[in-house]
Amino acid sequence: DTGVSQNPRHKITKRGQNVTFRCDPISEHNRLYWYRQTLGQGPEFLTYFQNEAQLEKSRLLSDRFSAERPKGSFSTLEIQRTEQGDSAMYLCASSLQNRADYEQYFGPGTRLTVT
Amino acid sequence: AQKVTQAQTEISVVEKEDVTLDCVYETRDTTYYLFWYKQPPSGELVFLIRRNSFDEQNEISGRYSWNFQKSTSSFNFTITASQVVDSAVYFCALSEARRDDKIIFGKGTRLHILP
Repeated sequence: DTGVSQNPRHKITKRGQNVTFRCDPISEHNRLYWYRQTLGQGPEFLTYFQNEAQLEKSRLLSDRFSAERPKGSFSTLEIQRTEQGDSAMYLCASSLQNRADYEQYFGPGTRLTVT
Repeated sequence: AQKVTQAQTEISVVEKEDVTLDCVYETRDTTYYLFWYKQPPSGELVFLIRRNSFDEQNEISGRYSWNFQKSTSSFNFTITASQVVDSAVYFCALSEARRDDKIIFGKGTRLHILP
């Protein structure tokens, strides 16, 4: 396994359209995180899963956003009725939740441009 | 509330010079983790180091060194004999040892190493 993968790497969409991103974590990692990074800023936490359970959602995650991790493996992040303010890099990270290995491994991100 | 401040937005140094990136954090927890990540132009976040709040020993890894001082809530990063390949955005980050382990990032410091 070579790490966290994300698809697509780039997405250009028109305002009002729906988009869906996919994240494949490192095998065996039970935690999966979504972050959003806008230009000139650090990544900001959106939500995370432990196995298939979504345990926390940031206030940044409006009701137009939904994330799933149906079988505790890959995850999808959907944005409905996209707005120009949704343009950002969406980063996924995974970790194995035990104290011997705490590190979150990040994927390459999906860059979303809403025109 | 937790917060990470990287006061230096952008730094330029000539190759082979030493450079220090500053990081100041705020947290009410006594147990927490501090990180540094590198984000090269390709966009992927590269993990550099993690320190827990009980380990104040400074660390050196090749040309990289980190100075953790709880008394001043700082976790500074020094690159010795900088190289052009060190050009990137560097993020300092904090995670409190709670259930979610989400990472709070600073806004980053863009480092330019000039040949």
